[in-house]
Amino acid sequence: GESVGLHLPTLSVQEGDNSIINCAYSNSASDYFIWYKQESGKGPQFIIDIRSNMDKRQGQRVTVLLNKTVKHLSLQIAATQPGDSAVYFCAENIRGYQKVTFGIGTKLQVIP
Amino acid sequence: DTAVSQTPKYLVTQMGNDKSIKCEQNLGHDTMYWYKQDSKKFLKIMFSYNNKELIINETVPNRFSPKSPDKAHLNLHINSLELGDSAVYFCASSHGLAGFPNTGELFFGEGSRLTVL
Repeated sequence: GESVGLHLPTLSVQEGDNSIINCAYSNSASDYFIWYKQESGKGPQFIIDIRSNMDKRQGQRVTVLLNKTVKHLSLQIAATQPGDSAVYFCAENIRGYQKVTFGIGTKLQVIP
Repeated sequence: DTAVSQTPKYLVTQMGNDKSIKCEQNLGHDTMYWYKQDSKKFLKIMFSYNNKELIINETVPNRFSPKSPDKAHLNLHINSLELGDSAVYFCASSHGLAGFPNTGELFFGEGSRLTVL
């Protein structure tokens, strides 16, 4: 359906600080999670993924944490830069279903 | 070299009209998708095709008809356009079907902004 009534959460971070973007999921059958970044006027771009048998995965300046007990994952961006300003989506996949379902998204604003 | 390209980028049309959006990928992927993004940035899957075969049809009205003439192309035709169809439509592709153990990495085009007046 549509996201009527929902507002895009916004996170404002000072340049150079670390950013933490949170995501909650509700389906216990979700076992594969992906973070995407969408810059203004562009399509979403893959950042990092994590399987449910892991609780942490690191990439370049990014770390994803997964807490299956409370159905929560987070994306940490170290030393946030102006180029990190974008909308960030967590996405999930349920085993056996060949689709990636996107969450609401969080807008990250980096203050110079 | 654009990996996933969509045309047109912008489309403004009247209610009741029929329009098409084309998508092509040069990544050699075998799976393609259409997603719809509304004004609140909510991104929802509409269709997916794997090797020209329909895999997902996510309860989209039958006014929307995807067509995949070959693995590299997935077009979207919309009949009898309604105001609620106004959105940004994204085409995407992946190597293999989405989801573990294949991939969660979808490659998106830049979107086609449809405005229905």
